[in-house]
Amino acid sequence: AQRVTQPEKLLSVFKGAPVELKCNYSYSGSPELFWYVQYSRQRLQLLLRHISRESIKGFTADLNKGETSFHLKKPFAQEEDSAMYYCALSAQGGSEKLVFGKGTKLTVNP
Amino acid sequence: NAGVMQNPRHLVRRRGQEARLRCSPMKGHSHVYWYRQLPEEGLKFMVYLQKENIIDESGMPKERFSAEFPKEGPSILRIQQVVRGDSAAYFCATRKDRVNEKLFFGSGTQLSVL
Repeated sequence: AQRVTQPEKLLSVFKGAPVELKCNYSYSGSPELFWYVQYSRQRLQLLLRHISRESIKGFTADLNKGETSFHLKKPFAQEEDSAMYYCALSAQGGSEKLVFGKGTKLTVNP
Repeated sequence: NAGVMQNPRHLVRRRGQEARLRCSPMKGHSHVYWYRQLPEEGLKFMVYLQKENIIDESGMPKERFSAEFPKEGPSILRIQQVVRGDSAAYFCATRKDRVNEKLFFGSGTQLSVL
């Protein structure tokens, strides 16, 4: 069964501090991993996906197949990064439906 | 382009009534996904449709729930004889007809069953 686990429900850091949002997954095949973000009063939107290997708004995420993890990192958090972050997985070659984690609420304090 | 439009934003129904949730995809998008989010939970996949066809309904409850995406008009998620446990946020997401295309989400419909 496909499963995505985000162990932290809440994460609070100070501005300028490094931040890491954890994501672990369970899937027997070759998954595609995503991070979605929802800012206050806005829609859920794609932040980044592992196949793109890009950095968006200073965030990066590396797929570690050995540890089945896809942690989201940013070296210096900004107040505008405060949002709800969801890790998601889809099975390659399938209907591209997403399996979401429960989300982590990140608060960046001034 | 106003993005993916969902209406209504809030829907209140009494137990036993019907709920109809609408999703208008972005222009050029022919694939629609419906997700449900219960409080404190992540989004759970319900159904995937491509114009006039249901491709994957593995996440749909067996009874009372149905979805359609007609040739003309929005996609509709229909819940008959609603119960309190149906109270949730329902999101749709749409994309173009190409592999690995980005998914765009609507703002969701918050269904409250009294």
